[in-house]
Amino acid sequence: RKEVEQDPGPFNVPEGATVAFNCTYSNSASQSFFWYRQDCRKEPKLLMSVYSSGNEDGRFTAQLNRASQYISLLIRDSKLSDSATYLCGTSGGYQKVTFGTGTKLQVIP
Amino acid sequence: EPEVTQTPSHQVTQMGQEVILRCVPISNHLYFYWYRQILGQKVEFLVSFYNNEISEKSEIFDDQFSVERPDGSNFTLKIRSTKLEDSAMYFCASSLRGSGVNEQFFGPGTRLTVL
Repeated sequence: RKEVEQDPGPFNVPEGATVAFNCTYSNSASQSFFWYRQDCRKEPKLLMSVYSSGNEDGRFTAQLNRASQYISLLIRDSKLSDSATYLCGTSGGYQKVTFGTGTKLQVIP
Repeated sequence: EPEVTQTPSHQVTQMGQEVILRCVPISNHLYFYWYRQILGQKVEFLVSFYNNEISEKSEIFDDQFSVERPDGSNFTLKIRSTKLEDSAMYFCASSLRGSGVNEQFFGPGTRLTVL
C-alpha cells in the first residue's frame, strides 16, 4: 500500500462549484498533514496545514480523520485560478514530508 | 514575503559530469531539504539537513549525492557523476521547525537534464 494515496483525477468542475478531494495515508504515526497546490512545472506551494479540529481558510476547508487515516480538502465557489494539482502530504513528526501523486483539478468556465 | 530561491533554473549536463544545485533558504529557517520530482511523478524526499549535518535521507540519496551549507545563507546539492535517471526537477525547501507542524516552503526548483 502506498504511503499516501490520492485519486489522480482529473476533476473537471464548472466555475462556482464545490469540489472535494480525499487523501489516505498508511502510516498511523503520521503527526502533521498538509495540502499543497502545484501548478504545472512549478514548485509546491503550501495551501494549508491540517489540524485535528479541521481548519478553514476562505473558500478552503481541510479535515482530518485519524481513525480512518484520511484527510480531505473542500473548495467552495471554484475559480478558474484554482485549476492546479493538489498534493496531500504527511509528516511522521520527523522532518520529511511524504507526498501523494496529487489530484488534478480543472475548473471550467 | 520571504521566499526560498534556487539557481540555476535549468541545468543541462552530460552523463558522468558533476553538478551543483544551489539554494538560499528563508533566512530564519533552521531546517533545509532537497526533494526531486521526475516528470509526471510525485515529489520525493531526498535529504534533510539541520545544524550542519544530515538528519535524514532517503534511499535515493546514495553516495553520488552530497549536501553542504558552505556559508550562512547557501545550501547546495551536489551530484558527483550524473546519470540519465537523475533528470528531474530538484526542489529545495526550508522550515522553521523540524517536528510537529513543520511547514515547509519550496523554492522554484532547478530543472536538471542529463544527456
